[in-house]
Amino acid sequence: GESVGLHLPTLSVQEGDNSIINCAYSNSASDYFIWYKQESGKGPQFIIDIRSNMDKRQGQRVTVLLNKTVKHLSLQIAATQPGDSAVYFCAEKGGAGGTSYGKLTFGQGTILTVHP
Amino acid sequence: EAGVAQSPRYKIIEKRQSVAFWCNPISGHATLYWYQQILGQGPKLLIQFQNNGVVDDSQLPKDRFSAERLKGVDSTLKIQPAKLEDSAVYLCATGVAYFTDTQYFGPGTRLTVL
Repeated sequence: GESVGLHLPTLSVQEGDNSIINCAYSNSASDYFIWYKQESGKGPQFIIDIRSNMDKRQGQRVTVLLNKTVKHLSLQIAATQPGDSAVYFCAEKGGAGGTSYGKLTFGQGTILTVHP
Repeated sequence: EAGVAQSPRYKIIEKRQSVAFWCNPISGHATLYWYQQILGQGPKLLIQFQNNGVVDDSQLPKDRFSAERLKGVDSTLKIQPAKLEDSAVYLCATGVAYFTDTQYFGPGTRLTVL
């Protein structure tokens, strides 16, 4: 299927390397953050999430770091594999008291290409 | 557990025609969302349902777009009449509960308006 990431930032890595994908979010009232992976022709797939009262969360081969001071989110993928090639989106959910309360707002996305 | 189902997967129409998309959520999921994803961008929320009620449709172009979820399960999104700029992937997502849950996405319907 056609890629949805033709004009997005790109990251190319070799198989086995660690990957770091960054995301800047805009709403200081956001209280929940999610990373999604989107392969060509498919819908976004949940990878990992983190709440605003945490600064780090680990999953299987993935780690999400949250820096609320500078409103920055990162996704680290250990031992990147060719199957990790996809577009990665961060998303933020607005917290109470803001106009985007409960809404999921997606970032721009990053194309990750893993070379064998 | 079956995922979110959407149909059709692809649709090509001419401008000013009408089109409808269908979504079947994961069993038991009360919240349902329709997103529009234009090529090269992240998904943008169009409308959000909690059971069969609309929670937020502030970003739905209501002059041409409509959506319903009559029995609180399946949902349809309609565009009438379509414009060239409506060409996009239309994604349906569902969740167990409003505000508290991850959203699970279907494969989407790719719409091309000629």
